[in-house]
Amino acid sequence: SQTIHQWPATLVQPVGSPLSLECTVEGTSNPNLYWYRQAAGRGLQLLFYSVGIGQISSEVPQNLSASRPQDRQFILSSKKLLLSDSGFYLCAWNVRRPGAEKLFFGSGTQLSVL
Amino acid sequence: DAKTTQPPSMDCAEGRAANLPCNHSTISGNEYVYWYRQIHSQGPQYIIHGLKNNETNEMASLIITEDRKSSTLILPHATLRDTAVYYCIVSNAGGTSYGKLTFGQGTILTVHP
Repeated sequence: SQTIHQWPATLVQPVGSPLSLECTVEGTSNPNLYWYRQAAGRGLQLLFYSVGIGQISSEVPQNLSASRPQDRQFILSSKKLLLSDSGFYLCAWNVRRPGAEKLFFGSGTQLSVL
Repeated sequence: DAKTTQPPSMDCAEGRAANLPCNHSTISGNEYVYWYRQIHSQGPQYIIHGLKNNETNEMASLIITEDRKSSTLILPHATLRDTAVYYCIVSNAGGTSYGKLTFGQGTILTVHP
């Protein structure tokens, strides 16, 4: 069966520090991968999605970047965190075919930038 | 993708059916209706989806009106563990937007004893 791993579960970082969140998927090949963010009391916002290795699309301009060095690995990064980067970050995947919006989400990372 | 409208909150007694409405009056012919839920501090969980026919699975039933402008998610016997935010999403299946689901504010369902 397929599983998605996301870590760490919680993270407290000072303003200006770098960030690296990792997500890996097991049990499937060629998945679409996504990073979402949820600010406190708000809905989920799609940040990045990837349809293949090295292919990254950004949905909103921001202080973050994403990379996909391997088929089932998705990384969210920042060189210098801002206070506004605080939030709940979720990685998700689905199969790569039209009509497959059945997303599977990881357990999320609660990031607090202080 | 079409926009959806949901009530911000609803209550339900444990053991009773929870009926969560969703309006999607601008839905187009190739757009599916998806339902997800998010329990506090967890990632969203897929519940069910449909195009125009009613659907049922082990978690819930989805009733879509004939004109497809609204739908209702039914949890037949709500339990305390069903307390969550429920998201109704309309998405274009088959286009370039697959997987790029737009989550709104959803409905906060509170199941009470």
